[in-house]
Amino acid sequence: DTEVTQTPKHLVMGMTNKKSLKCEQHMGHRAMYWYKQKAKKPPELMFVYSYEKLSINESVPSRFSPECPNSSLLNLHLHALQPEDSALYLCASSQNEGDNQPQHFGDGTRLSIL
Amino acid sequence: AQSVAQPEDQVNVAEGNPLTVKCTYSVSGNPYLFWYVQYPNRGLQFLLKYITGDNLVKGSYGFEAEFNKSQTSFHLKKPSALVSDSALYFCAVRERTGGFKTIFGAGTRLFVKA
Repeated sequence: DTEVTQTPKHLVMGMTNKKSLKCEQHMGHRAMYWYKQKAKKPPELMFVYSYEKLSINESVPSRFSPECPNSSLLNLHLHALQPEDSALYLCASSQNEGDNQPQHFGDGTRLSIL
Repeated sequence: AQSVAQPEDQVNVAEGNPLTVKCTYSVSGNPYLFWYVQYPNRGLQFLLKYITGDNLVKGSYGFEAEFNKSQTSFHLKKPSALVSDSALYFCAVRERTGGFKTIFGAGTRLFVKA
């Protein structure tokens, strides 16, 4: 079992829908990340939160909107997505941003845009 | 530009034989180095890291990695491969100072044949 829990595991949505991805960790980590991963490719960083504040936005389109309600939760709100946004979305956490500790990944949400 | 190279898209080994998955990097300073493994439909799992000290680092599942500063390499090794080691392996680096981003290599698919 992974220590980072992501829901839902699968999501199919139309281009006009609004949905949210959720991520939860209870390891006391203060840095949380969203990544996008295409098949057989490395994860691409989207957002980093450090102590519940947005630290990095990798020029992600505004149709993706992150939210960190508290130190254990991370959401990714989706609206008006495009077919090319279909991918595996991974959440990760680490003790602190930029330290020497590894990231802990969830198993991801597989997103399909119709 | 900072980069991580995994020169082999795929590595094929027979079960019981030693395996090596190669990684070289071009990052300023002395970065933190990591290896992650990804099984199908799962997130990335941390295997091992190099911070400082002994150039041979031991990690999970019998894996180890050899750090070579002059060659800026961090190759993953295992003395005796198992069929269950078949997966996608990612090398990753992070700068020691101000390095809030983890840079991933393109990944190497390891196939272990029984």
